[in-house]
Amino acid sequence: SQTIHQWPATLVQPVGSPLSLECTVEGTSNPNLYWYRQAAGRGLQLLFYSVGIGQISSEVPQNLSASRPQDRQFILSSKKLLLSDSGFYLCAWRPLARNEQFFGPGTRLTVL
Amino acid sequence: RKEVEQDPGPFNVPEGATVAFNCTYSNSASQSFFWYRQDCRKEPKLLMSVYSSGNEDGRFTAQLNRASQYISLLIRDSKLSDSATYLCVQGNSGYSTLTFGKGTMLLVSP
Repeated sequence: SQTIHQWPATLVQPVGSPLSLECTVEGTSNPNLYWYRQAAGRGLQLLFYSVGIGQISSEVPQNLSASRPQDRQFILSSKKLLLSDSGFYLCAWRPLARNEQFFGPGTRLTVL
Repeated sequence: RKEVEQDPGPFNVPEGATVAFNCTYSNSASQSFFWYRQDCRKEPKLLMSVYSSGNEDGRFTAQLNRASQYISLLIRDSKLSDSATYLCVQGNSGYSTLTFGKGTMLLVSP
């Protein structure tokens, strides 16, 4: 069966510090991968998605970036965090030939 | 602009009640719709997929009305464990991105 992992689970970072969040998927090949952010009291906002290694599409311009160095690995990064980057970051994967997405447990980021 | 609108609630219902949520969507070309359930501080989990006029799974029934561009979720015989936020989701064409509503909160009380 397929599983999706995210780490860390929680993170507290100062403004201006870098960020690296990792997401890995097991038990599948060539999935579509997605990064979302959910700010407090708000809906899910799609940040990036990837249909393959090295292929990244950005939905919202901001100080975040994403990379997909391996088929089942998706990384969200920032060089300098802003207060507004606080939120619940969720990674999701989509199996081929289906439209449903399945989420990882998320990383709760607080920028102080 | 792709949008999904939901009543944020909360819907407060007693155990055993039947409750229905509606959701409207703007992308008339969409072919797939979903309901996800999200517990507090947890990730969303897929509850139901709706590809045609509707879908039923136990106490849960989802219906799609393409003419009016809305989707509904009906929960019968509510349980305390049904308390959660229910997200209405529309599938988009192309690379299969999804557009999420902001969710409807349900609180089931004893």
